[in-house]
Amino acid sequence: EVQLLQSGGGSVQTGGSLRLPCEASGFIFSNNAMSWVRQAPGKGLEWVSVISGSGTKTYYADSVKGRFTISRDNSKNTVSLQMNSLTTEDTATYYCARLTDSEVRPVAMLFDFWGQGTPVTVSS
Amino acid sequence: QSVLTQPPSVSGAPGQRVTIDCIGSTFNIGAGYDVHWYQRLPGKAPKLLIYGNTNRPTGVPDRFSGSKSGTSASLAITGLQTEDEADYYCQSYDSNLSGPGVFGGGTKVTVL
Repeated sequence: EVQLLQSGGGSVQTGGSLRLPCEASGFIFSNNAMSWVRQAPGKGLEWVSVISGSGTKTYYADSVKGRFTISRDNSKNTVSLQMNSLTTEDTATYYCARLTDSEVRPVAMLFDFWGQGTPVTVSS
Repeated sequence: QSVLTQPPSVSGAPGQRVTIDCIGSTFNIGAGYDVHWYQRLPGKAPKLLIYGNTNRPTGVPDRFSGSKSGTSASLAITGLQTEDEADYYCQSYDSNLSGPGVFGGGTKVTVL
């Protein structure tokens, strides 16, 4: 059974940092690209970042580029999102999600399993 | 404001049929990019409901169906059940945006 177990998150002040880990199980981790998607209060889903199965390719939404870093450790079946220079606009529930492919194909991203979500609150 | 427009809410009585439209443009749905649908039950993680416009993953009831025409796509729920009360999101690709993956704003389905 595919499982994505999220931890981390919490509250931080503007300008602070947080790291969100997501531990995967139930599949061969390196066979799948992984992504982060967030949902701000009262808003819809927003794609944040994606990393290929090998970890060699990454993409970021313009809203987080230069501040967030996605990484993965295939030996530990973990994908992480390092969030720096946080603003109140980053307040959201963050989901890690598995893609169906190992490579990132921007025109065909499909998220087939999702973690339970981690709330992040940034206050001024 | 997403480039994929969904109604904020739809509602129906148990057993009825409801549809959720996902209206795009020639830069996304109309360009032929696939549309996927996700269901987010209250307090739960999103779940893939429909992929590639019309396909259901294993385990998704056949009362859920997807379609696509022109610059829009639709999710239909026939024989609405109380457990279908959830938020639903469409997702596609937009060639006018710099990043991959764009979601609709989401639709809250209420079972009356």
